[in-house]
Amino acid sequence: GQNIDQPTEMTATEGAIVQINCTYQTSGFNGLFWYQQHAGEAPTFLSYNVLDGLEEKGRFSSFLSRSKGYSYLLLKELQMKDSASYLCAGPVSNDYKLSFGAGTTVTVRA
Amino acid sequence: EAQVTQNPRYLITVTGKKLTVTCSQNMNHEYMSWYRQDPGLGLRQIYYSMNVEVTDKGDVPEGYKVSRKEKRNFPLILESPSPNQTSLYFCASSGGSNQPQHFGDGTRLSIL
Repeated sequence: GQNIDQPTEMTATEGAIVQINCTYQTSGFNGLFWYQQHAGEAPTFLSYNVLDGLEEKGRFSSFLSRSKGYSYLLLKELQMKDSASYLCAGPVSNDYKLSFGAGTTVTVRA
Repeated sequence: EAQVTQNPRYLITVTGKKLTVTCSQNMNHEYMSWYRQDPGLGLRQIYYSMNVEVTDKGDVPEGYKVSRKEKRNFPLILESPSPNQTSLYFCASSGGSNQPQHFGDGTRLSIL
């Protein structure tokens, strides 16, 4: 499957900003997803980028650069409830086979 | 309410005893998929289905079977479970490859 890399863990303080990077192989790429997963729960959809640039949704924004095989998820004004794992995922060439990164565990401290 | 329903939520069983994990969605989605999630490895796709009677292997299909006889159902079958299939399993559905996936609540399988 697609090789998708993201950091394992990040820690930040309540109210701060954290940026989670994701890199992937560019061949056969057709859009990239970000999901949030709280411990013991199912992943939930955060964002989908298919064109280059930044998409903002409230406190969360996602950026994509297709030529660089790079994306990031930006979490602003961090709250304790944002402590979770954040998963980067991309469709591969046939558009239906989906590969996930191993996830980045974000811990928000008071 | 739009949802993906998996059953059972938890199962402890023994090596070699066939089991089926059911998955049903009520959103009329064409695309369904099964994943397993293991610590440090993230979500890995087992099988996926693009429509009724159309299924294909994901990254880790060995030891698993699926079927898609109806649009709403996509069961995962372990014909002869082994301890290395102990994991957390998620079923998901979506309206297409560029649409968000809706995940079930997960099934925690322990194979002794």
